Amino acid sequence: GESVGLHLPTLSVQEGDNSIINCAYSNSASDYFIWYKQESGKGPQFIIDIRSNMDKRQGQRVTVLLNKTVKHLSLQIAATQPGDSAVYFCAVNYGGSQGNLIFGKGTKLSVKP
Amino acid sequence: KAGVTQTPRYLIKTRGQQVTLSCSPISGHRSVSWYQQTPGQGLQFLFEYFSETQRNKGNFPGRFSGRQFSNSRSEMNVSTLELGDSALYLCASSFTGGRNYGYTFGSGTRLTVV
Repeated sequence: GESVGLHLPTLSVQEGDNSIINCAYSNSASDYFIWYKQESGKGPQFIIDIRSNMDKRQGQRVTVLLNKTVKHLSLQIAATQPGDSAVYFCAVNYGGSQGNLIFGKGTKLSVKP
Repeated sequence: KAGVTQTPRYLIKTRGQQVTLSCSPISGHRSVSWYQQTPGQGLQFLFEYFSETQRNKGNFPGRFSGRQFSNSRSEMNVSTLELGDSALYLCASSFTGGRNYGYTFGSGTRLTVV
């Protein structure tokens, strides 16, 4: 099976600072990883993904780092803005389980103006 | 293009009743997955349908069931509702749900059981 752990349930940062949200997974066969953002009253919104054949991927103001050796995943948000305030989830999929994403419990990011 | 549409948005039911939730995936998406989200357990996978067949199932009791129609729309049903079934039910669609991912979630149906 697979489990996805959370490092910090809440994170508070100052506007303009960089944010780092961490996630750990248990199954070394995991091959696809996604970060989602969920705002109040909405469903999870895709931010960025990464496959196991990569260790870094960048998007607009976001970077995902994957360390397969220690089974660790992180999301970095540059120049955090108030609109980034939300709950962030990592989700993991492994080859034996199509259509089945295993989610971490989420980190609530609060951005102080 | 239109996103994933879930109806209804809110629902209040009494213990013992049954409920049916609906999900219309993004046009062209053939995989629909359902998740239950609660404050205590987080997001938990219920089941996934692809081309009208249940392809994968999570660890939920048989009271939770689903189906998918030929147009890829999906419904999930919960029978004999319990208070603990109160949750946000989310569906996600994907082109294949397999190696070509890209799951897009709907806004969910908030079910309250009283």
